[in-house]
This record gives sequence, C-alpha cells and structure tokens, in this order.
Amino acid sequence: DAMVIQNPRYQVTQFGKPVTLSCSQTLNHNVMYWYQQKSSQAPKLLFHYYDKDFNNEADTPDNFQSRRPNTSFCFLDIRSPGLGDAAMYLCATSIRGGTVEKLFFGSGTQLSVL
Amino acid sequence: GIQVEQSPPDLILQEGANSTLRCNFSDSVNNLQWFHQNPWGQLINLFYIPSGTKQNGRLSATTVATERYSLLYISSSQTTDSGVYFCAVLNNAGGTSYGKLTFGQGTILTVHP
Repeated sequence: DAMVIQNPRYQVTQFGKPVTLSCSQTLNHNVMYWYQQKSSQAPKLLFHYYDKDFNNEADTPDNFQSRRPNTSFCFLDIRSPGLGDAAMYLCATSIRGGTVEKLFFGSGTQLSVL
Repeated sequence: GIQVEQSPPDLILQEGANSTLRCNFSDSVNNLQWFHQNPWGQLINLFYIPSGTKQNGRLSATTVATERYSLLYISSSQTTDSGVYFCAVLNNAGGTSYGKLTFGQGTILTVHP
C-alpha cells in the first residue's frame, strides 16, 4: 500500500547530540512536511518542501534543518537537541497543484532527549 | 492568522453512543480537514471538507462555510474511535499559504466498552 513511513518509531538522544529523523513516501507526492507535536498540543508546522523548494516557518529554530535528496525521502536534522525538543515529530505529504490539498501523515517518531 | 476553536475539549462516551464534535474558525477557508490521532500517535485523515457534507461509514462531516463552522458526527461509537480529533483549516486563495494548516487544539474522545 502507498504510504508515509517514518523511522525510527522511538528515538532517544543525548542533550546536544545531533540526531536525524527520516521519512519516506510511496505516494509520489510533491510536498513533504515536518510537524512538531508536544504533549497535549496541536501539531506545529516546522517547514516543508515543495519539490526541491524549501519553505521554513518564521518561528522554526535554527537548530532544526531538513534535507530532501529526492521525491521519496525527507530528513529532519536536529543539530543540538535540547530538553525542550522532546516531542513527537510527524511527517506528512500532499499533492500541490490541484484543487484539493489533502495531507497524509506518517506514524511519527517520538523523540526523547536525555 | 486564522483562529480555530474545537469543542468540547474532552468527551467520554459509552460504546454505542452518538456524538458531535464542533470546529469554529475565525475567517473564510478553502481547505478544512478532520483528523483522528490514534493512541499510538498517527494522524489519520478522515475528511477533506471545506464545504458541504460527506459521509464515510459511521462518520460524517458537515461544513457551513458561510457561518464558519464544521461538525463531525460519530454514530454508534466504538472503543477504537478513542483518540484525539483535530480540525485543521487553511485559506490559500492568495497562493502563498499552501500547506500551512492551522490546527485546533483537538477534542479528546474516550469510548468505554
């Protein structure tokens, strides 16, 4: 089945140790998003790629970076994780260019920072 | 930006009961989606419904765009319906806000057997 896959499901890192989260999709969608969701809160958009064009949200910390080497894969890099970066990280995809932009989410990566 | 308010914040039901979740938004939208976040954290897209009414099994949704609200109906609820229901909206008529969905704070639904 076509889907959005995130690995790993759970990630533990140390304070200040760089970490990379990955997302892949078989939907061939041209847009990929990264959302951060903290406990009991709504998802918050960090950035997205429209094809190869990177779009950063104004309030996304510089500590967060992203790479999209091809249509299928997108990575979230946290250069120096702090305790406040512990959260669920959700990847989503959509097709942009038609009249409907519907988001499809992966199952998320729960990041713990020790 | 657009404000999104969902009600009720929490809802507890017995299996088999019906429920209505509400989403109010502060400005016109041309993209409105309902999501269910299951207890394992995955967000499932339930409906894309900027206007009108749609049904999918026991779930249905209605958006009255002119009055800036949307309703999600769950009939004959099951324990697997438990989780958080989010409404998310967007107005991208200007072509500059693609993908920037604004999420409500969610309704936490618990269905007891």
